[in-house]
Parts: sequence; structure tokens; C-alpha cells
Amino acid sequence: DPKIIQKPKYLVAVTGSEKILICEQYLGHNAMYWYRQSAKKPLEFMFSYSYQKLMDNQTASSRFQPQSSKKNHLDLQITALKPDDSATYFCASSQDSSSYEQYFGPGTRLTVL
Amino acid sequence: GDSVTQTEGPVTVSESESLIINCTYSATSIAYPNLFWYVRYPGEGLQLLLKVITAGQKGSSRGFEATYNKETTSFHLQKASVQESDSAVYYCALGASNSNNRIFFGDGTQLVVKP
Repeated sequence: DPKIIQKPKYLVAVTGSEKILICEQYLGHNAMYWYRQSAKKPLEFMFSYSYQKLMDNQTASSRFQPQSSKKNHLDLQITALKPDDSATYFCASSQDSSSYEQYFGPGTRLTVL
Repeated sequence: GDSVTQTEGPVTVSESESLIINCTYSATSIAYPNLFWYVRYPGEGLQLLLKVITAGQKGSSRGFEATYNKETTSFHLQKASVQESDSAVYYCALGASNSNNRIFFGDGTQLVVKP
């Protein structure tokens, strides 16, 4: 059974719209993260959360807002979508914020037209 | 800054041949970096292959090895005899165990193993 679930797997949106990417982890972890991989670029860190609190934000735009309604959830809301936001977004988790190992979800591939 | 540079792919090798994928890192803001190799098999998610958190140590998994060399700031991935099932994209990564726990990834190296 998948331990980190990301929904949807694929998402197509129009410029200017708003979307929410879902992430749930069933590993009992206390830290969760978002990364992004754009075409021909490496995976880039976006956010880290520990016990549902924001620890680090490396995303310049406020259009990206993580939402943690439950301990094992970290959704990503993206508003005013732009074509440059097209990427695969990966959720990850670790036992806590000092753990060496992060486990990654399968990703949500977002295409903004 | 903190970054990782690795062999540009695709790398194509024949089954049973040896493999080395080079990785060098720069850790200017991380005092004690942790080094990782992640792998993504076709159709699957990213998974940790091996990790080393202490300079001078070697990590190994599934026949792959990598040694954390602080002097040369390298963490090359090696395997003595590859199999077709090793075909995947391999990512070298750098991290630090602190309150942010951010991981810096290389661009990834696609490995193609020919039967």
C-alpha cells in the first residue's frame, strides 16, 4: 500500500485559476515537505513543516500556500496560476525535522495552459 | 551556495559492466552535510537508495556503493556489475539535519542498461 498519497496524479489548469494539490502520509511522520521539479531543472525545495508548523519557506511567491489540516496532511494551494508553475510537485515526509531520511510521494504533474 | 553536480545523462552501459556516476557537492552553509543517492525507477516514485552522514564512510545498497569524500567533496555512485533492472534515474543529494532539513538535489542521471 502506498505510504504517501498525492492527488491528483495529473492536473491541467488554465492561467489565473487556483488549484489544491493533496498530500497524505501514513508513515506516522511529524515532518512534511514540498518540492518542485520543473522541466530540465533539479528538484527544488519549497517548504518544510514540523508538527504542522511552517519551518522553512524557500518559495518567493505568496501564491503558494501550504495547508496542514491534520498532522499527516500537507496540501499545497496555488493561486493565480501561471504557465511557469507547470512542474511535477512532490510531497515528502520524515520522522521529524532532524531525520536524515525523507520519503517521497509519487508526485502531481501540473500543467498550466 | 549549497549545490550538487552530477554526471550528465543519459549513461548507457551493457549488462554486467561496471558503472560510476560522478557526484560532487558544495556545502557552504551546511557544517556537516549528509549525502544521499535517490533513485526513480520507470513509473515509480523517488526512493532513497543509500545515505552516508559521516565523512569517510561508505554506504551501500542493492550492490551500489558510494563513499563520502570530504577532501574532494565527492560522493560517486559505483556498481561492479549492473543489471537491466538498474535502468532508472539516479539523483545525488545533499542535506543537513537541522530544523529546516532541506535537501539539495542534482539534476539526475538517467542510466540505461542494455541487455
